[in-house]
Amino acid sequence: DAGVIQSPRHEVTEMGQEVTLRCKPISGHNSLFWYRQTMMRGLELLIYFNNNVPIDDSGMPEDRFSAKMPNASFSTLKIQPSEPRDSAVYFCASSPGRIRQGRNSGYTFGSGTRLTVV
Amino acid sequence: DQQVKQNSPSLSVQEGRISILNCDYTNSMFDYFLWYKKYPAEGPTFLISISSIKDKNEDGRFTVFLNKSAKHLSLHIVPSQPGDSAVYFCAASVLTGGFKTIFGAGTRLFVKA
Repeated sequence: DAGVIQSPRHEVTEMGQEVTLRCKPISGHNSLFWYRQTMMRGLELLIYFNNNVPIDDSGMPEDRFSAKMPNASFSTLKIQPSEPRDSAVYFCASSPGRIRQGRNSGYTFGSGTRLTVV
Repeated sequence: DQQVKQNSPSLSVQEGRISILNCDYTNSMFDYFLWYKKYPAEGPTFLISISSIKDKNEDGRFTVFLNKSAKHLSLHIVPSQPGDSAVYFCAASVLTGGFKTIFGAGTRLFVKA
């Protein structure tokens, strides 16, 4: 199992440009989450999907952010236009969608995309 | 409004001693709590969890304690090892709430050899 795969690992872009972050969840996981990590706020939940349907997007900062999950194996997080304050590490995570006791409970995170907007 | 709070941004401990990381939460609906560990340039990885029906869960050197009346949980690592140096995130969720998990801001643990 390759785990949760995110691309790109690093992205540097100019203010005003469109940025698209990509995520491939673990096969069979039916919940997918986008988080943003900053020094000040730690890990913030932006949006999550269950069975490809957006369930809660209350964490999306503003209309410049959008996320899609066209199928069970792919999701994107888009920022348009990007701003310097969007600079952060963006994590995607997936889960089987139910809590299981034991060592394998919880989410599986990808390695993140470090976004820098200059 | 931060529902999960880790008030200590960093903690430094000598190798072999106990590390205690603390976490407070405000939402009484939370009924499942988790700790994640994160190394630089990697995503967080699940470490240990506890259901609200318990007050203690142990896994090797790691023990999580839950005090529901105080809305407080803690992670104990004993003995601490240099490889434990990482950022630790406390997280909480509502089992019937769509499995949405809220994370704290993290505590960076330094274990000195």
